[in-house]
Amino acid sequence: AQSVTQLGSHVSVSEGALVLLRCNYSSSVPPYLFWYVQYPNQGLQLLLKYTTGATLVKGINGFEAEFKKSETSFHLTKPSAHMSDAAEYFCAVSGPGLIQGAQKLVFGQGTRLTINP
Amino acid sequence: DGGITQSPKYLFRKEGQNVTLSCEQNLNHDAMYWYRQDPGQGLRLIYYSQIVNDFQKGDIAEGYSVSREKKESFPLTVTSAQKNPTAFYLCASSILGTGVGYTFGSGTRLTVV
Repeated sequence: AQSVTQLGSHVSVSEGALVLLRCNYSSSVPPYLFWYVQYPNQGLQLLLKYTTGATLVKGINGFEAEFKKSETSFHLTKPSAHMSDAAEYFCAVSGPGLIQGAQKLVFGQGTRLTINP
Repeated sequence: DGGITQSPKYLFRKEGQNVTLSCEQNLNHDAMYWYRQDPGQGLRLIYYSQIVNDFQKGDIAEGYSVSREKKESFPLTVTSAQKNPTAFYLCASSILGTGVGYTFGSGTRLTVV
């Protein structure tokens, strides 16, 4: 079964500093990996995803993530934090062929990112 | 613009009542999903549907029911059997197949009063 662990339920960084949100996954099949962002009282928005190919994937708002199979990790980074990055971030995993037809995403517990001025 | 509409945004339920949360999409997606979000627990899958008139239980289906009479609509009923219904409910949709990700609605916050 797939599972996701996000290290740190709350991360706080200064504006302009590096953002690093950690995600480790467990999967018995080659995983598809996703990062979503959620602003208060809103739905989730896809930031980026890894399926196959290049292991460094770039997303919206200057975020990127690197798939490291040997470490079963998919950490999210941004070189310079902006106040508008304050939100909750979710890592998710699905496996090819996990469910024929619909894809079942398994989400981590979420990491709340706070940006200090 | 295509998207998913959830209504209402806020919903209050009295003890013992059934309530229905609406989810409509105009993305022509075949698959639709309901997730429950609680603080510190991430998102947990309640039900999903791949095709009209068919749906499957997720990880926490007890106390919930769904229907899929139209491709565009996937309403969720929170029944009186759900003992702790206060939560944020998110509806999502996707095309069939893996690796494509979901499109989410803006959510419904349900509170028991």
